[in-house]
Amino acid sequence: KQEVTQIPAALSVPEGENLVLNCSFTDSAIYNLQWFRQDPGKGLTSLLLIQSSQREQTSGRLNASLDKSSGRSTLYIAASQPGDSATYLCAVRPTGQGAQKLVFGQGTRLTINP
Amino acid sequence: GAVVSQHPSRVICKSGTSVKIECRSLDFQATTMFWYRQFPKQSLMLMATSNEGSKATYEQGVEKDKFLINHASLTLSTLTVTSAHPEDSSFYICSANLGQGKLFFGSGTQLSVL
Repeated sequence: KQEVTQIPAALSVPEGENLVLNCSFTDSAIYNLQWFRQDPGKGLTSLLLIQSSQREQTSGRLNASLDKSSGRSTLYIAASQPGDSATYLCAVRPTGQGAQKLVFGQGTRLTINP
Repeated sequence: GAVVSQHPSRVICKSGTSVKIECRSLDFQATTMFWYRQFPKQSLMLMATSNEGSKATYEQGVEKDKFLINHASLTLSTLTVTSAHPEDSSFYICSANLGQGKLFFGSGTQLSVL
């Protein structure tokens, strides 16, 4: 059974710092891995999608890497801003499952202090 | 971009009543939609896959008679929590499959059963 773990569960840093969020998964048989942002009481916004054949994806100040063989992904946020404060979730789509089933980690609650 | 609309955003009801949550894809057709449940500070757990024109597929441990899913059109899926009880209080989120690994999420519904 695929399990996704995110470390740390919570992180608080001063504005301007670069930071890394970690995600690990137990089964390397995946189609893709996706990073989401969730604001309190809100739905999810997709940030980056990495296909299993890819090593990384970048969007603005965000960079996500994927090492499928070791079951790890990182989300790098450069020059953090207070508006980046949210919960960040990673999710994998295992192979062999029905259409688009995702397995989520528990998230990292990020607080950027002005 | 693609948008998924979920309504209502918040509902408070008495124990024993039924609550209907709607999930609409606003500018694309979605043959498949997904319903997730999220408890405080926990991850999203897939409840069921909603298929247009056919029966929903429920995950293990999810009561079909408790959580009724109807996907009557290519743009609308509904989740009805029947005879709701306090333990059903949770955050429910839907997502729609746009294809090619792209999932879009609704803004969620916070259900509180008194």
